[in-house]
Amino acid sequence: RKEVEQDPGPFNVPEGATVAFNCTYSNSASQSFFWYRQDCRKEPKLLMSVYSSGNEDGRFTAQLNRASQYISLLIRDSKLSDSATYLCVVTMAAGNKLTFGGGTRVLVKP
Amino acid sequence: EPEVTQTPSHQVTQMGQEVILRCVPISNHLYFYWYRQILGQKVEFLVSFYNNEISEKSEIFDDQFSVERPDGSNFTLKIRSTKLEDSAMYFCASSHQTRPADTQYFGPGTRLTVL
Repeated sequence: RKEVEQDPGPFNVPEGATVAFNCTYSNSASQSFFWYRQDCRKEPKLLMSVYSSGNEDGRFTAQLNRASQYISLLIRDSKLSDSATYLCVVTMAAGNKLTFGGGTRVLVKP
Repeated sequence: EPEVTQTPSHQVTQMGQEVILRCVPISNHLYFYWYRQILGQKVEFLVSFYNNEISEKSEIFDDQFSVERPDGSNFTLKIRSTKLEDSAMYFCASSHQTRPADTQYFGPGTRLTVL
């Protein structure tokens, strides 16, 4: 089983619509969770950390379900500039390396 | 805003040659990392470095790889004898502390092409 698993997509989203997707992680001892954004052939950039209580940053909402070991990201009022690959990232209890999922590709269309 | 920088942006080399990829982490950061991403695949951890020594490394980081912090600002990744399968994007990252929640900031990457 992959350590961090994501639906690769693509999710084709009309501009202004809402899109949501999940990722699952296999290690129940994972401590911290993040969503990074990666544009084509660019570096990953932190979008937001994910907290147990859920958190929101503008149009982006992240949720963590420890019992079911999944993390979700919801994007409201999608913009063309939201088109990117969204990377689910976890850190395991044993160290501080980041473990990445394969990414979910989102394409926002006019 | 401070950022991680990497040079060169693209390196082309012949199989068997040595390459050195360079990174300048954010100045007050103490923890440094290398990751790689083969085209079309996920980002993979290679190595982490703190206090002038390796703190963790993955199975990918074998004897062909080494890291060094030769001075107060640079952090380098050396591949001694490159293989075709080393072709990838190599990202350097740094963080202020090692707590899991601390953000790792990534450089723009070096695209390594081994012919």
